Amino acid sequence: NAGVMQNPRHLVRRRGQEARLRCSPMKGHSHVYWYRQLPEEGLKFMVYLQKENIIDESGMPKERFSAEFPKEGPSILRIQQVVRGDSAAYFCASSPPMVAEQYFGPGTRLTVT
Amino acid sequence: DQQVKQNSPSLSVQEGRISILNCDYTNSMFDYFLWYKKYPAEGPTFLISISSIKDKNEDGRFTVFLNKSAKHLSLHIVPSQPGDSAVYFCAASVTGYSTLTFGKGTMLLVSP
Repeated sequence: NAGVMQNPRHLVRRRGQEARLRCSPMKGHSHVYWYRQLPEEGLKFMVYLQKENIIDESGMPKERFSAEFPKEGPSILRIQQVVRGDSAAYFCASSPPMVAEQYFGPGTRLTVT
Repeated sequence: DQQVKQNSPSLSVQEGRISILNCDYTNSMFDYFLWYKKYPAEGPTFLISISSIKDKNEDGRFTVFLNKSAKHLSLHIVPSQPGDSAVYFCAASVTGYSTLTFGKGTMLLVSP
């Protein structure tokens, strides 16, 4: 039973490029969450999605960041025109409905040069 | 403004002894609390949780205690093992709102 999958594990982008991070939730989980961890910090909530719906995006920057969870395929976190401050570890988590425990993927480490 | 605080960045314990990791919260709406363990270059792994209707939950070597009046919870690991060395995150949520609010973590080092 595969856990939460994220790819790529490492991503290097130059300033101004786009970054696309993918997340496949655990089987049977319909809720997906994205968190960001900056160095020496805890995880900060970014966005919560269900299939084809954004439920809560209160933690996501208003510009350059977007997320989707289509009917088919993985959830995508997209960062346009990346800047050095976007360098961080981005974690995806999933859960079944009405369950508080979230299960995390291994993360994507984004480095912006 | 940090709503979940882990005031000890690190903790060192000898193998076989008890490890106690602490967590404080400020938002009285939080009613469900979780502990996660994280190794370097991996995602957090769920350890144990507790609802605000309880004051203790136990799972093997791990016990979480909740003191609602003090807005404080702690994770006890007994006995500690070298493999427990990791960063431990406390997280909180509000029932009906699925997002988690995390503390900054405590790095636990268990020495043989």
